[in-house]
Amino acid sequence: AQTVTQSQPEMSVQEAETVTLSCTYDTSESDYYLFWYKQPPSRQMILVIRQEAYKQQNATENRFSVNFQKAAKSFSLKISDSQLGDAAMYFCAYKRETSGSRLTFGEGTQLTVNP
Amino acid sequence: DAGVIQSPRHEVTEMGQEVTLRCKPISGHDYLFWYRQTMMRGLELLIYFNNNVPIDDSGMPEDRFSAKMPNASFSTLKIQPSEPRDSAVYFCASSFRGLGNQPQHFGDGTRLSIL
Repeated sequence: AQTVTQSQPEMSVQEAETVTLSCTYDTSESDYYLFWYKQPPSRQMILVIRQEAYKQQNATENRFSVNFQKAAKSFSLKISDSQLGDAAMYFCAYKRETSGSRLTFGEGTQLTVNP
Repeated sequence: DAGVIQSPRHEVTEMGQEVTLRCKPISGHDYLFWYRQTMMRGLELLIYFNNNVPIDDSGMPEDRFSAKMPNASFSTLKIQPSEPRDSAVYFCASSFRGLGNQPQHFGDGTRLSIL
């Protein structure tokens, strides 16, 4: 079974600074997908960024980027120029390549942004 | 476009009562997922449907839980009888085909409190 581990229960960053959230996963499959979701206090689950395992290029969405290391099974999220609105719980998630497969979530990292 | 719609947003009831949570997926999406979020267990998949048919209900905790999807635009998750340990936030999510990197879109969740 696949597992996803986020080893940082809490992180904090100063506004306008950069922060990196860690995620590792365990799988025996070669094709899969990885996601970062953000859950603000409103408890919505908002997709931040996605990465296909077959792509070597790291995904980027504006201030959000990932460092995908397939061999190390690592998928970290970098937030640049942090804003107060970035404060939230961040979940790393794994999805098998086959259609209809479930998301397996990590435990989450609570990010605080200090003004 | 309307997102995934869940109702009610909050539910408080006494143990032993029947609870019904409702979900309207995004139009055109053919996969529907029910997740439960608790502090102890994080986000866990309960059941998911493809084209209104339950595919994997291995996450359903026990027989007190049941889910139905009578048509493509509506699903229910029922707990009968409810117990205090069922208190959690229940999310519904939908996706198109569930293939590849198609993300799951989440509703705002139902916060359920069983007294």
